[in-house]
Amino acid sequence: GAVVSQHPSRVICKSGTSVKIECRSLDFQATTMFWYRQFPKQSLMLMATSNEGSKATYEQGVEKDKFLINHASLTLSTLTVTSAHPEDSSFYICSVDSYGTYEQYFGPGTRLTVT
Amino acid sequence: RKEVEQDPGPFNVPEGATVAFNCTYSNSASQSFFWYRQDCRKEPKLLMSVYSSGNEDGRFTAQLNRASQYISLLIRDSKLSDSATYLCVVTGGATNKLIFGTGTLLAVQP
Repeated sequence: GAVVSQHPSRVICKSGTSVKIECRSLDFQATTMFWYRQFPKQSLMLMATSNEGSKATYEQGVEKDKFLINHASLTLSTLTVTSAHPEDSSFYICSVDSYGTYEQYFGPGTRLTVT
Repeated sequence: RKEVEQDPGPFNVPEGATVAFNCTYSNSASQSFFWYRQDCRKEPKLLMSVYSSGNEDGRFTAQLNRASQYISLLIRDSKLSDSATYLCVVTGGATNKLIFGTGTLLAVQP
């Protein structure tokens, strides 16, 4: 499967600041990447689909102006949490899919804590 | 009704036991089905895709019943290292979006 990295693995920030999370596809070019969020003891929830060279597609209920996604190259997508609040504290995970199979491979995740 | 439903467990089994997990999904248009494994505070990792004909990978066997919208995972000869949360995942209709169940927690005891 695909190899995906994320940076940082863990971040603590103050309320009102912005945080950028990077997701890299290390071994193949990904035209599509996905961003998920997982709260404790809950399932992964898709936030948005990141498309290389075009605007991301956000799921219902996800604020596009708060969660900015940039997919500027075939190997890098970034998620910026703007004006973070404590309720944004969560585990953010990106993934890439394997063309033609719908299997997705996940990065190691970024644990965000907003104080 | 949740799109993907699983028994949250926990399933506490001794080493060597056989354990089965079940999952139901609500969207009859779903095309692809998977089992993922997630260790505590880690990312999900693909365990296996699930095909209509059923498929086996070592100690793991997955079955799909499209008519009943039901997916199963059987683990034989459980190992301590099998302890994890098992996530049932389906695609959202004819799309590549993945819909995750909340997972079933397995704890294999020595």
